[in-house]
Amino acid sequence: DAGVIQSPRHEVTEMGQEVTLRCKPISGHDYLFWYRQTMMRGLELLIYFNNNVPIDDSGMPEDRFSAKMPNASFSTLKIQPSEPRDSAVYFCASSSRTGGVDTQYFGPGTRLTVL
Amino acid sequence: AQSVAQPEDQVNVAEGNPLTVKCTYSVSGNPYLFWYVQYPNRGLQFLLKYITGDNLVKGSYGFEAEFNKSQTSFHLKKPSALVSDSALYFCAVRDFTGRRALTFGSGTRLQVQP
Repeated sequence: DAGVIQSPRHEVTEMGQEVTLRCKPISGHDYLFWYRQTMMRGLELLIYFNNNVPIDDSGMPEDRFSAKMPNASFSTLKIQPSEPRDSAVYFCASSSRTGGVDTQYFGPGTRLTVL
Repeated sequence: AQSVAQPEDQVNVAEGNPLTVKCTYSVSGNPYLFWYVQYPNRGLQFLLKYITGDNLVKGSYGFEAEFNKSQTSFHLKKPSALVSDSALYFCAVRDFTGRRALTFGSGTRLQVQP
């Protein structure tokens, strides 16, 4: 299995621009998570989906952030408009409930820099 | 609310010596505990998890962790450190309810000197 795939790996954009991050979970996994990693706040959950339905979005910072999962093999995290404080590494992770307590497997991350 | 504390920002150990990376947690009810490792410019890699049963959990790359309920700790250990073990280690907790989000500690940087 290729693991969790994220694109792009690096994104540099200017303040005010729209940014879209993409994630392909491991095939067969029914949970998908978006996390953000910063020096100040560490790793924090933004949102997670179960069977393509958002379950908990309490970590989404504000209305500028939105996430979708149109099908079981694809999810997007969109920031519009972007701000310098959004600069971080964004991780996608997926898991499966099959076989007991699920383990989350992480993608390589997208390093976002907003100038 | 659940939380994880990793009291050491950095742990230094000589190659071949045993290593311990500390983690304490706070959660309502029984915890599910995880250790992940992050190499530079890489995602988090799963090492091991504790769900129930034996307090000593064995994981990948020779790592193990000991669950101690009375001390609410889940320390990561390895009998003999390798230089290649140098990385950032994260402890994470999840409660036993249906919410699947992990709460991570701040991370501990392990430096193994040759």
